[in-house]
Amino acid sequence: EVQLVESGGGLVQPGGSLRLSCAASGFTFSSYSMNWVRQAPGKGLEWVSYISSSSSTIYYADSVKGRFTISRDNAKNSLYLQMNSLRDEDTAVYYCARAHGYVEYYFDYWGQGTLVTVSS
Amino acid sequence: SYVLTQPPSVSVAPGKTARITCGGNNIGSKSVHWYQQKPGQAPVLVIYYDSDRPSGIPERFSGSNSGNTATLTISRVEAGDEADYYCQVWDSSSDPVVFGGGTKLTVL
Repeated sequence: EVQLVESGGGLVQPGGSLRLSCAASGFTFSSYSMNWVRQAPGKGLEWVSYISSSSSTIYYADSVKGRFTISRDNAKNSLYLQMNSLRDEDTAVYYCARAHGYVEYYFDYWGQGTLVTVSS
Repeated sequence: SYVLTQPPSVSVAPGKTARITCGGNNIGSKSVHWYQQKPGQAPVLVIYYDSDRPSGIPERFSGSNSGNTATLTISRVEAGDEADYYCQVWDSSSDPVVFGGGTKLTVL
């Protein structure tokens, strides 16, 4: 059974940093591209970042470019999101999601999410 | 960047057909994926590549895509279908992954 379990969320002050983790199991993690998607309270889904299976290709949403860093450790079946210079508008539930397909990927499995609250 | 436009809300009576649209410039040339999200839960894929259904998704869910509009159709709507629905595409512009704003489906 495919499982994605996020952790690392919490309350952080504006300008602070946080590192999210996503533990994957039930599939060959090293074969799949992965993503972070967030959802602000009461709002829609917003894609944050993409990383290919070998980490050779990485994309970021303009809203987080230069502040967030996505990475993965295939030996540990883990995905990460380092978030720096956090702003109030980064408050959201952050989901990790597996990308499936070819080129025009879809997200076939999602974690349960971890809440990040940026507030003073 | 590419923009996907969804109606904020759609209402339908039980047993009827719900159609949720997703508008975008020449969206028919892209592959559209649809997600269902119930309150407090993670999104669930219900349609991928315009019209394919993942295993476990009822046949009542179907999709189409042409011109400037993609459509998610839910036949014989049930109370359990009440949820937010999001369309998604990949685009070669600055943000490669784009979600629509979401549509709240209300079952009357």
